[in-house]
Amino acid sequence: KQEVTQIPAALSVPEGENLVLNCSFTDSAIYNLQWFRQDPGKGLTSLLLIQSSQREQTSGRLNASLDKSSGRSTLYIAASQPGDSATYLCAVKDYGQNFVFGPGTRLSVLP
Amino acid sequence: GAVVSQHPSRVICKSGTSVKIECRSLDFQATTMFWYRQFPKQSLMLMATSNEGSKATYEQGVEKDKFLINHASLTLSTLTVTSAHPEDSSFYICSAKGQGIRETDTQYFGPGTRLTVL
Repeated sequence: KQEVTQIPAALSVPEGENLVLNCSFTDSAIYNLQWFRQDPGKGLTSLLLIQSSQREQTSGRLNASLDKSSGRSTLYIAASQPGDSATYLCAVKDYGQNFVFGPGTRLSVLP
Repeated sequence: GAVVSQHPSRVICKSGTSVKIECRSLDFQATTMFWYRQFPKQSLMLMATSNEGSKATYEQGVEKDKFLINHASLTLSTLTVTSAHPEDSSFYICSAKGQGIRETDTQYFGPGTRLTVL
């Protein structure tokens, strides 16, 4: 059974810092991996999607990498801003097309 | 494009009553809809998957008689929590994928419904 973990559980940084969020998964047979953002009491916003054949994806200040063999993905956020404060969820999709979500990293960027 | 809405966004009910949550795809045909539950400070857990016109497939541990799912049209799925109890209080999120959009394999998530059972 696929299990997804995320480290750290919570992170507080001053504005302007670069930071890395980590995601690990136990079964490397994944279809793709997706990073989402969730604001308090809100739904999910997709940030980046990495197909199993890809190594990384970039969008603006965000960069996500995927090492399928080691079961790891990282989300790099450059020059963090207070508006980046949210919970970041990592989710892997298996070949049955079902998502397995990690518990999330709660990020606070202090002005 | 590819917007999913949920109604209501927040509901409070008394223990023992039933609550219906709607999930709509606004600009595409949702051939498949997914229902997730999220407890405080925990991640999303898939409850069930429904294909339009078919019975829903429930994940292990989810009571199908308690969480009734109807996906009778290509734009609407409903989740009814029957005889709700305080332990059913949670954040319920739906997602949908389907036809009429460029990326048919992508799941689009609704904004969620906060259910509080007193």
